[in-house]
Amino acid sequence: DIQMTQSPSSLSASVGDRVTITCRASQVISNYLAWYQQKAGKVPKLLIYGASTLQSGVPSRFSGSGSGTDFTLTISSLQPEDVATYYCQKYNSAPLTFGPGTKVDIK
Amino acid sequence: EVQLVESGGGFVQPGGSLRLSCAASGFSISNYVMNWVRQAPGKGLEWVSGISASGSSTYYADSLKGRFFISRDNSKNTLYLQMNSLRAEDTALYYCAKITSYSSGCYWGQGTLVTVSS
Repeated sequence: DIQMTQSPSSLSASVGDRVTITCRASQVISNYLAWYQQKAGKVPKLLIYGASTLQSGVPSRFSGSGSGTDFTLTISSLQPEDVATYYCQKYNSAPLTFGPGTKVDIK
Repeated sequence: EVQLVESGGGFVQPGGSLRLSCAASGFSISNYVMNWVRQAPGKGLEWVSGISASGSSTYYADSLKGRFFISRDNSKNTLYLQMNSLRAEDTALYYCAKITSYSSGCYWGQGTLVTVSS
């Protein structure tokens, strides 16, 4: 099965900073990569699918890039409401593996 | 409004069984692959199982094969998860979700809590 890794596992940044999270698949998954945001006690929220397509209603400060095995989620200007754990997920075929998550907080 | 409402969770002793249900409204699940995802307390998201639109194909996380069984009743717009031989490590919030074919929407339920303990 394809394994998903994320780095870093956690980060602390200041409001307004540019934040980058990396997700890597152990095999090629084309662009079948989604990014989720999960705030404490809440249901995961889809941010990006197809590696770079912004889900409707998601702020434009979020962007995704990559294809094949290496992917990136970028928050161009971190806001207090972005404090959350972020997960990548492959969905080209079962198993629909999630990455281990990256916890983002404000410095 | 699209809704996925899970039910059937609860407290069960190790070795016991539970059947989770997920009732959909606002869209027809018959057109889509549906999935179960779980999250243990304080842990990350773990995909559990998926089922094709017709129900003819089922998929499971390797660690669960032989204990969990997914099914669907498209006429009732409902997804199920039969969980047998439950272990303490199965304790988690279980979500029903449409997490493929994202161009046609992404839907999650609020989850149902399963606690396995003696």
